[in-house]
Amino acid sequence: DTEVTQTPKHLVMGMTNKKSLKCEQHMGHRAMYWYKQKAKKPPELMFVYSYEKLSINESVPSRFSPECPNSSLLNLHLHALQPEDSALYLCASSQDRGRAGYTFGSGTRLTVV
Amino acid sequence: GESVGLHLPTLSVQEGDNSIINCAYSNSASDYFIWYKQESGKGPQFIIDIRSNMDKRQGQRVTVLLNKTVKHLSLQIAATQPGDSAVYFCAENSGGYNKLIFGAGTRLAVHP
Repeated sequence: DTEVTQTPKHLVMGMTNKKSLKCEQHMGHRAMYWYKQKAKKPPELMFVYSYEKLSINESVPSRFSPECPNSSLLNLHLHALQPEDSALYLCASSQDRGRAGYTFGSGTRLTVV
Repeated sequence: GESVGLHLPTLSVQEGDNSIINCAYSNSASDYFIWYKQESGKGPQFIIDIRSNMDKRQGQRVTVLLNKTVKHLSLQIAATQPGDSAVYFCAENSGGYNKLIFGAGTRLAVHP
């Protein structure tokens, strides 16, 4: 298996809703990432997990809460989002330390209404 | 030719021509670089990578060149095909950290 799988593919949520994005990989990668991508812009790093521990938080607002239940799964919990948070949310994984094998999922297209 | 739009520069080429996409990276400590292709509605797709101890690396129809002196990366695509039309991003990984940072991106438009 050489894929990163993200669900759902599309999500519409209200500003008072709570929802979660899910990401799964079975490549044995020990580093996992969340990126946010706005239209016509590059992906922007949000969080990095290394061996299931949060290692980098790029000053992301607390309404985004990541979780790494095990080495194959990564979640992003969403609460009280704003319309400007609408974007494509990408999950990626890589071999830790070796800095290789960065693989991205297809993303979740999030719309906040 | 190449044009710079409001957010994303575009490179227009004829089918069969060679394409060269350029990227300036920011961190002189970066030691690993990747080129990604992103089609509309999809996630970035790995094309080719290069480590800082190399100047050039070749893949199938693609070549990446790295000039550390001027912090410049380029992607060469030989015999460009309509299926190559996409947005191309370079990304750099700062040494010692799992921190992959993307450049601004270039849209490649291939015309028949």
